Amino acid sequence: SQQGEEDPQALSIQEGENATMNCSYKTSINNLQWYRQNSGRGLVHLILIRSNEREKHSGRLRVTLDTSKKSSSLLITASRAADTASYFCATGPSGNTPLVFGKGTRLSVIA
Amino acid sequence: KAGVTQTPRYLIKTRGQQVTLSCSPISGHRSVSWYQQTPGQGLQFLFEYFSETQRNKGNFPGRFSGRQFSNSRSEMNVSTLELGDSALYLCASSLDTRLWDRDYEQYFGPGTRLTVT
Repeated sequence: SQQGEEDPQALSIQEGENATMNCSYKTSINNLQWYRQNSGRGLVHLILIRSNEREKHSGRLRVTLDTSKKSSSLLITASRAADTASYFCATGPSGNTPLVFGKGTRLSVIA
Repeated sequence: KAGVTQTPRYLIKTRGQQVTLSCSPISGHRSVSWYQQTPGQGLQFLFEYFSETQRNKGNFPGRFSGRQFSNSRSEMNVSTLELGDSALYLCASSLDTRLWDRDYEQYFGPGTRLTVT
């Protein structure tokens, strides 16, 4: 079952614009991770944010976490065509719970 | 350092057959997890192995099984294939340092695309 739910399911923007994706989850977490998947290939880890962190940056990526609202957002600034991919949030692992992925947001960046 | 490798990359099988997929983790990684990805269900966790022991198992029928060898390489097997088993099967490895909160990042292989006809 999915723990995280991304919103929107699909997003189309022009190159140079910012892209924001949101993730909501149901149970308490120790950390939340974001992954990227290019069409039909393996996932690439982007960033991990711990439950005691509120914001984290990595290059053009900014992730925020609001544990009171059980939500996270991924912001990609100055998007490029190469950012076209599906983006997944994942929660866990914790205890006997493995890493659980949401259904993802499909981002299309048009040149 | 070489990444996670999966073999084969593509596979076509017939209903009722069985299949074995292989995954070689990044050197030094002791945890290997398997996922099934389909358009309808998304990424579903299959199982996780750590030091040759199954540590977690997802909600899949017994036709799905796996194992891990002493060199951390892992295999998963699906017996009596069904059309619905057609999917991208992803393997991921992690260092899993067993820190206090078990945080770890997973490194994914390119996947094996299985088509059942």
